[in-house]
Amino acid sequence: EDQVTQSPEALRLQEGESSSLNCSYTVSGLRGLFWYRQDPGKGPEFLFTLYSAGEEKEKERLKATLTKKESFLHITAPKPEDSATYLCAVLNRGGSEKLVFGKGTKLTVNP
Amino acid sequence: NAGVTQTPKFQVLKTGQSMTLQCAQDMNHEYMSWYRQDPGMGLRLIHYSVGAGITDQGEVPNGYNVSRSTTEDFPLRLLSAAPSQTSVYFCASSPTAGGQTQYFGPGTRLLVL
Repeated sequence: EDQVTQSPEALRLQEGESSSLNCSYTVSGLRGLFWYRQDPGKGPEFLFTLYSAGEEKEKERLKATLTKKESFLHITAPKPEDSATYLCAVLNRGGSEKLVFGKGTKLTVNP
Repeated sequence: NAGVTQTPKFQVLKTGQSMTLQCAQDMNHEYMSWYRQDPGMGLRLIHYSVGAGITDQGEVPNGYNVSRSTTEDFPLRLLSAAPSQTSVYFCASSPTAGGQTQYFGPGTRLLVL
């Protein structure tokens, strides 16, 4: 059974304090790993898709990396507007279209 | 493009009542899906569709029905609502199946009393 574990559950940072969020996964062949951002009361907003180990994607202050067992979302010099819940999800190669999500990391960036 | 739209935004039902949550997308996406999001549980897949006329079950399908008569619409039906179905429901779509990015709607908050 595919599993996704995100850590930490919650993270508080000061503005400008860089850190990383972790997404560990167990999947029978990875077809894709997805990162989303979710603001309170809204639907998840797509950030990145990673397909193979060693791949990296960047967007503004965010950088996602992928290994064979985990993915990291690195946040460089965060701002208060980066406060949100960050979700990780995986899709396996088995032909099923069942996206499996982690429980998310709630990030708070204080000014 | 409006993207993925969901109606209603909020609904209160009594146990045993039925209702349909609407989802529409104007991006000509083949793949559509329904998730529920509960505190401490994350997003869980209810049903999905890889194209008009084709649907399949996700992780938590019991108590829910779906159909896909057009590319644009993917309604979710609760035949007899139960308090355990109190949740936030999200619809999502992607251009095709096969690992492409899914785009989510704004959600429907459902309370079953």
